[in-house]
Order: sequence, then C-alpha cells, then structure tokens
Amino acid sequence: QSALTQPASVSGSPGQSITISCTGTTRNIGTYNLVSWYRQRPGEAPKLILYEVNKRPSGVSDRFSGSKSGNTASLTISGLQAEDEADYHCCTYAGSTTSFGTGTKVTVL
Amino acid sequence: QVQLVQSGPEFKRPGASVKVSCKASGTTNTMYYIHWMRQAPGQGLEWMGWIDTNNGDTNYPQNFQGLITFTWDTSVSTAFLELSSQMPDDTAFYFCASGGLYDFWTRYYAFDYWGKGTLVTVSS
Repeated sequence: QSALTQPASVSGSPGQSITISCTGTTRNIGTYNLVSWYRQRPGEAPKLILYEVNKRPSGVSDRFSGSKSGNTASLTISGLQAEDEADYHCCTYAGSTTSFGTGTKVTVL
Repeated sequence: QVQLVQSGPEFKRPGASVKVSCKASGTTNTMYYIHWMRQAPGQGLEWMGWIDTNNGDTNYPQNFQGLITFTWDTSVSTAFLELSSQMPDDTAFYFCASGGLYDFWTRYYAFDYWGKGTLVTVSS
C-alpha cells in the first residue's frame, strides 16, 4: 500500500494548467521538503522533473512547477501540451524509507 | 552522466528465483546508491530498497526483507537484484535508478538516472 495518494487521472485541454496532488502524512511531506516528481511516458523509464518540492533539474521546462501545503505536495503543469500526456509519480523520503505515490494519468483532451 | 543498462526480460515458473543486472557506465564515481523499484502492469512505482556502491551496505523495506538480495560487483560496475520464490503477482518491470546530484538527501529520492527496466514474468 502506497504511502502517498494521488488522483488516478487528471485531464485538460491544450494551453490550460492542471494540478496534480500528492497527499502524505505529518511523518513525511508534512515535515520534510524531500519531494520529487517524475514523468513516465508509455514504455519508458520515469524522468525526474522536480526535486525538493519545486526545484527543476537542468533542461526541464519551466512549465512544470511544484508547491507544498501541509501534508500535500502539488505539481502544476502550465500551458498543457500534447507531449505532457503521461503518468506522473510523486516521491518522498522520510524515516529511512523512500515512497512513491499511486500515480496519476494525465490526458490532454 | 551515468548510463544504466539492465538485463533482458525473464520468464519464470512460480517458486523460482531470478537475478536482474544493472550495469553502470559513465561518471560512476558520482554515484552513491543504486535503488531498485518495481512496477506491476498498469500500476505505480514501488520502492524496493538500495545498495551503497561504495561499501555494499543495503537497505530493504520491511515488506521485501528476506525476499530480495542486492549485490554490487565493483569489477564490472554492475548491481544485481536477486528475487527468490517468485509468485505470479511479482510479475512486473524492475527498474534500477541512481541520484544524488544536487545535495546529500537527493540520493534517496531524486533519481536522474534510470535503467530501461527489466520485465519479469512469473507464470505457470
């Protein structure tokens, strides 16, 4: 059973913004900023798009942004594009344990 | 840059063991841990633990203890995941990954480098 809960699916039209939530507990997201996000296209390995809640690795589009409030972290994709259609996974580290979210499928309408 | 190349797909009968490899190349001196994750068909990612490539220390979450073994062969820069007593619900893609590029803590949760995954199918 995953420690982090994400919505199963989120959809939006091209150009819109969407937000994906990742809900943990006071023992992980609520206390630490050790949150990352991954994009996974079909048949591919995950790709890191955010770490430490809102930091982007080099080369990642600034259309991806992150935030945190209480026990919930969020990923926002601005200016939605067809290429953003993929699965998105949140991840956190706390208490010697790395945990992934349940995963969210993003559909571009 | 680090490249992680995993071994090919495996088909196993229930109760069998399987060993998956993950060969690292490139600037491997920047690696700290190799983590293993699995992803059942249509499901999310599940963390399986890590091995420290510098000293062989391992960390297994409780739900995998006694069922998996990580090893690291320095001579060939390759990590191995051995899965014992496989059952059909262990059918999944198994990924190796590594991180730690940005600060101390990112070695535990921010993985820039991933293998392409190894499909292990367990069926009678």
